[in-house]
Amino acid sequence: DAEITQSPRHKITETGRQVTLACHQTWNHNNMFWYRQDLGHGLRLIHYSYGVQDTNKGEVSDGYSVSRSNTEDLPLTLESAASSQTSVYFCASRADENTEAFFGQGTRLTVV
Amino acid sequence: AQSVTQPDIHITVSEGASLELRCNYSYGATPYLFWYVQSPGQGLQLLLKYFSGDTLVQGIKGFEAEFKRSQSSFNLRKPSVHWSDAAEYFCAVGPFSGGYNKLIFGAGTRLAVHP
Repeated sequence: DAEITQSPRHKITETGRQVTLACHQTWNHNNMFWYRQDLGHGLRLIHYSYGVQDTNKGEVSDGYSVSRSNTEDLPLTLESAASSQTSVYFCASRADENTEAFFGQGTRLTVV
Repeated sequence: AQSVTQPDIHITVSEGASLELRCNYSYGATPYLFWYVQSPGQGLQLLLKYFSGDTLVQGIKGFEAEFKRSQSSFNLRKPSVHWSDAAEYFCAVGPFSGGYNKLIFGAGTRLAVHP
């Protein structure tokens, strides 16, 4: 079955370190998204991509970057981790505007 | 700017009672509307979606939602709640002008179910 997987599931890192969270989907969806989930804020969009070599900033993109070198993967990089980036991160993919988005299981990131 | 409001942060109901979770959106046209559920420690699962047509949509696990254009609402309902329904529920809208098909989420409603 097609799926979307995130790794790692849990990560603890130190302030100032660069961290990369992986997202891999096997649906061959063009559209991929990264969200962060924080209490009281729901899911907020960090970055998104509509296809290979396409990346766009979401509402909370500062301190994050993504790259899309193939259809299957959209890694999220925290350039210099900050305590404010402690959160649960979700990756999602979607075929097009007429379909649902499928979510990964999430990555819990703690910045100490 | 587009936005989604879920006015209730926490709701507690008794098992077997009816449930209604509220969702209001701000958008210039009729958006695509979704309800997702998140069980503890899990990702998000789609409950139902509205794109067009009949304004009352049926979803999985006995849930339904009604789109009301005049109220900019898409409330989620279930006639009889089960203990396993305890979870967090998210309303989402998309796409938006410019051809974007990202989803914008509300802050979520956490549902507790008393036996």
